[in-house]
Amino acid sequence: DAKTTQPPSMDCAEGRAANLPCNHSTISGNEYVYWYRQIHSQGPQYIIHGLKNNETNEMASLIITEDRKSSTLILPHATLRDTAVYYCIVRVAKNYQLTFGKGTKLSVIP
Amino acid sequence: GAGVSQTPSNKVTEKGKYVELRCDPISGHTALYWYRQSLGQGPEFLIYFQGTGAADDSGLPNDRFFAVRPEGSVSTLKIQRTERGDSAVYLCASSYGLGTGNEQFFGPGTRLTVL
Repeated sequence: DAKTTQPPSMDCAEGRAANLPCNHSTISGNEYVYWYRQIHSQGPQYIIHGLKNNETNEMASLIITEDRKSSTLILPHATLRDTAVYYCIVRVAKNYQLTFGKGTKLSVIP
Repeated sequence: GAGVSQTPSNKVTEKGKYVELRCDPISGHTALYWYRQSLGQGPEFLIYFQGTGAADDSGLPNDRFFAVRPEGSVSTLKIQRTERGDSAVYLCASSYGLGTGNEQFFGPGTRLTVL
């Protein structure tokens, strides 16, 4: 699976959009971009995934650049409960292993 | 509760002792995974079960670690002769199958401390 690079930490004001970047310049054509988050003292939680097109669900939006070398997770209206470590993972769909990096620690500030 | 459950939530043991960590996956999920998370790091894959069999145990660090899933549901991770370096949070996840649309759901983890 391709390697990902994320900033170690970010702050976001409550109620504003949180935009979390991820670089995956060596991504292959059959690799998906996945996002998980881990709230303190909990297990990771699936957020969203995509291949080429932008995706949106009830939790977030995923924007993938046309060359697929980077992506951005958007939380449209961050709340204090969104404070967590966010992991960007690239993997082939049929692979069962999730390879986590250190992620981005997002702090939502009142 | 419909989620993945893990017991105990915390386990403190002494170096050299044997421990068992239990995972109850979501009902109907055939795939089960164990990960280990050290402080400040992301989770690392240990082992994957499809049904009763361990399909991939390549992430187990050494032969002191062993996991079973005898009836294809509950799984137990067993660690013999524990060492201080085994201290970590052990996470279990389950999924209905493989591939997109079959995402892994994680339990809250067992925090193991080896004194």
